[in-house]
Amino acid sequence: EDQVTQSPEALRLQEGESSSLNCSYTVSGLRGLFWYRQDPGKGPEFLFTLYSAGEEKEKERLKATLTKKESFLHITAPKPEDSATYLCAVQVPQGGSEKLVFGKGTKLTVNP
Amino acid sequence: DGGITQSPKYLFRKEGQNVTLSCEQNLNHDAMYWYRQDPGQGLRLIYYSQIVNDFQKGDIAEGYSVSREKKESFPLTVTSAQKNPTAFYLCASSDSLVEKLFFGSGTQLSVL
Repeated sequence: EDQVTQSPEALRLQEGESSSLNCSYTVSGLRGLFWYRQDPGKGPEFLFTLYSAGEEKEKERLKATLTKKESFLHITAPKPEDSATYLCAVQVPQGGSEKLVFGKGTKLTVNP
Repeated sequence: DGGITQSPKYLFRKEGQNVTLSCEQNLNHDAMYWYRQDPGQGLRLIYYSQIVNDFQKGDIAEGYSVSREKKESFPLTVTSAQKNPTAFYLCASSDSLVEKLFFGSGTQLSVL
């Protein structure tokens, strides 16, 4: 069974305190890995797509990396506005099609 | 502005009642999706559609129905057969199947 596990479930940081979120996966065939940001009561917002081990993507204070078994979302010098739930999803084959398997998310709180 | 519009934001269902959640997109996307989000769980796929007049069941389709009569619209009906409908429902669209998803702002459904 395809599984996506995100850790930690929740993370509290002080403003400026860098850290990383983890997304590990056990899937039959990874086609792509997606990171989304979700604010309370809103829909997720796309951040990054990674397709192959060694790939990295950056956007402002966020950098996503991918290995054969996991992905990291690094947050450098976070600000309170980075507080949100970060979702990871992997794209896997299903029959003659493909589907996304989502993790449960990491809730990030950045205190001023 | 292009995007996905979900309505209503909040919805209450009485025992034995069917309710319909609206989803409209003006992104000219072919694929549309419905996800259910419960606290502490990953997003779960209810139904998806790759083209007008065609749709497929996702992982948790029981108790739900959809239609895709227009490219822009993908309404979801929560039927009385769905015994635990309380959840946050998210509609999404993409250019093609399982490209990056664009999400609406969600509908919170509760049972009276």
